[in-house]
Amino acid sequence: GESVGLHLPTLSVQEGDNSIINCAYSNSASDYFIWYKQESGKGPQFIIDIRSNMDKRQGQRVTVLLNKTVKHLSLQIAATQPGDSAVYFCAENQGGSEKLVFGKGTKLTVNP
Amino acid sequence: EPEVTQTPSHQVTQMGQEVILRCVPISNHLYFYWYRQILGQKVEFLVSFYNNEISEKSEIFDDQFSVERPDGSNFTLKIRSTKLEDSAMYFCASSDLAVTNTGELFFGEGSRLTVL
Repeated sequence: GESVGLHLPTLSVQEGDNSIINCAYSNSASDYFIWYKQESGKGPQFIIDIRSNMDKRQGQRVTVLLNKTVKHLSLQIAATQPGDSAVYFCAENQGGSEKLVFGKGTKLTVNP
Repeated sequence: EPEVTQTPSHQVTQMGQEVILRCVPISNHLYFYWYRQILGQKVEFLVSFYNNEISEKSEIFDDQFSVERPDGSNFTLKIRSTKLEDSAMYFCASSDLAVTNTGELFFGEGSRLTVL
């Protein structure tokens, strides 16, 4: 069945450190992946996405890595700031479907 | 910056009552969605809507649920007879392109539904 999950439910880092949030997926037919950030009391906010024909994509302070061999997705945040504290979800999409399947989320806490 | 707006922010209702959650998507968007998030759990897809009809729905979206775009701006989710397990945060989202075409979903801040 479909399953998108995360290895760790919480992650605590020091301000200025780099953060790595991981995600495993099981649907090998998924070809589009997105990372969302959800701050307390708000809706998910798009961070970065990647299609399955790529293995790396960079944005501003964020990088997404995709390893299709082991069905693994990661989000790297450089120089983590207190404003990065939130719950991070990975989501997957299978071509032809409008549905995003979300993982359970990792709560990132940035300590000053 | 354009945003998706949802009302009410919180609604408390009795089991068996009808509830309508309202959303105003971003004005030039063509694809509309409802997701829900039970407290502490992951975000779950309910339904997608395009060209005035449902394009896809999940097994959660049973006959008790319906969606409507009554005019050019609103997008509503109706739950006909609420159950305790319908208690959740309901998120509306919209995009200008289909998800499968790398359309970025913009989510509203959610409507919290509490069924007593």
